[in-house]
Amino acid sequence: DAKTTQPPSMDCAEGRAANLPCNHSTISGNEYVYWYRQIHSQGPQYIIHGLKNNETNEMASLIITEDRKSSTLILPHATLRDTAVYYCIAAFAGGTSYGKLTFGQGTILTVHP
Amino acid sequence: NAGVTQTPKFQVLKTGQSMTLQCAQDMNHEYMSWYRQDPGMGLRLIHYSVGAGITDQGEVPNGYNVSRSTTEDFPLRLLSAAPSQTSVYFCASRPRTNPYRTEAFFGQGTRLTVV
Repeated sequence: DAKTTQPPSMDCAEGRAANLPCNHSTISGNEYVYWYRQIHSQGPQYIIHGLKNNETNEMASLIITEDRKSSTLILPHATLRDTAVYYCIAAFAGGTSYGKLTFGQGTILTVHP
Repeated sequence: NAGVTQTPKFQVLKTGQSMTLQCAQDMNHEYMSWYRQDPGMGLRLIHYSVGAGITDQGEVPNGYNVSRSTTEDFPLRLLSAAPSQTSVYFCASRPRTNPYRTEAFFGQGTRLTVV
């Protein structure tokens, strides 16, 4: 799996958009970009994933650059409950590596009132 | 609507003791895996399984055994507990089919202390 690089921490004001960057310059053509978050040492929670197109769901938007070397997770209206560690993961979605996720250190997002 | 269930939630062991961490999922997922998370660190893969009867090692397998006799259960055995195995353990499951729905579901963790 390709290595990802994220800033160790970020701050965001409540109600504003939180934009979390991720660099994955060695990503291969069939690796997806996944985002998970972990709140208060609970089990990680899936947020969103994508291959090359931008994606949006009820939680967030994922913007992937055209060369796929970086991406940004956008939480459009951050709340205090979005304070968590956010992990960006590049992984294959099939084959024998399917099911394995390589977690880095992630980004600690702190949402302030 | 149970999802992934881990038991116990907390455990204290003495060095040298053995125990089994239980993980069960009711979503009929083929893929299951075990991770450990040390303080301030990301999750590291211990063992994983792509289906009943099939297991493989992850990044940090030493000191742990797994087996997968059913689709639902994936227990993790500590053979002889050591203080270095003090950690939070997470079990995860994931469906094999439909590449557009490849999210993993995690349990709430087992917090293990070895003294």
